[in-house]
Amino acid sequence: GENVEQHPSTLSVQEGDSAVIKCTYSDSASNYFPWYKQELGKRPQLIIDIRSNVGEKKDQRIAVTLNKTAKHFSLHITETQPEDSAVYFCAALAGGSNYKLTFGKGTLLTVNP
Amino acid sequence: ETGVTQTPRHLVMGMTNKKSLKCEQHLGHNAMYWYKQSAKKPLELMFVYNFKEQTENNSVPSRFSPECPNSSHLFLHLHTLQPEDSALYLCASSETLTGTSGGAVETQYFGPGTRLLVL
Repeated sequence: GENVEQHPSTLSVQEGDSAVIKCTYSDSASNYFPWYKQELGKRPQLIIDIRSNVGEKKDQRIAVTLNKTAKHFSLHITETQPEDSAVYFCAALAGGSNYKLTFGKGTLLTVNP
Repeated sequence: ETGVTQTPRHLVMGMTNKKSLKCEQHLGHNAMYWYKQSAKKPLELMFVYNFKEQTENNSVPSRFSPECPNSSHLFLHLHTLQPEDSALYLCASSETLTGTSGGAVETQYFGPGTRLLVL
């Protein structure tokens, strides 16, 4: 089955700096990659996603890139703010499935003011 | 943040107890999911229902029993749990499971979770 590795497990940045979180996946048939943000004690919320027919997607300060050949995708947050502090999860949809997401272990991002 | 609600938010139970977790979605969705979130582990998909029919049981022990009476409600019945079952149990919903493989995927929306402690 699908295997998703996420790095780093923790990331600390200064406010205003950029943060990058990387994920690799094993199933070459995977075609959908969402990113979720989970603040302490709250539910995971989708912040951005990308499908395999595009290489990059942006939404204000957040961007995701996908390299299908290398089977990795990354989340980029620019001009970080303290409210960006949370755990971020990447996920990959199993090939041949419309719903079976395999999640990474998460990255705890801390933005220091 | 009231699209997907879960009750109770916290639950402490003994290994011989029977309890139920409830999830309700107000988004008009037809697919509902149970996930388990343990510390330092990835979210684990447990069960999936689409139009009230179970489409996935991800090798979950029988001490977890799901029930989906309609597309808006999902239950997880718990009995004779083990301490290692302590975790955050998340419910999610999506519009539906559409198309054939490689077809459109519907975004999954999560509830706030039930924090379960088994003593």
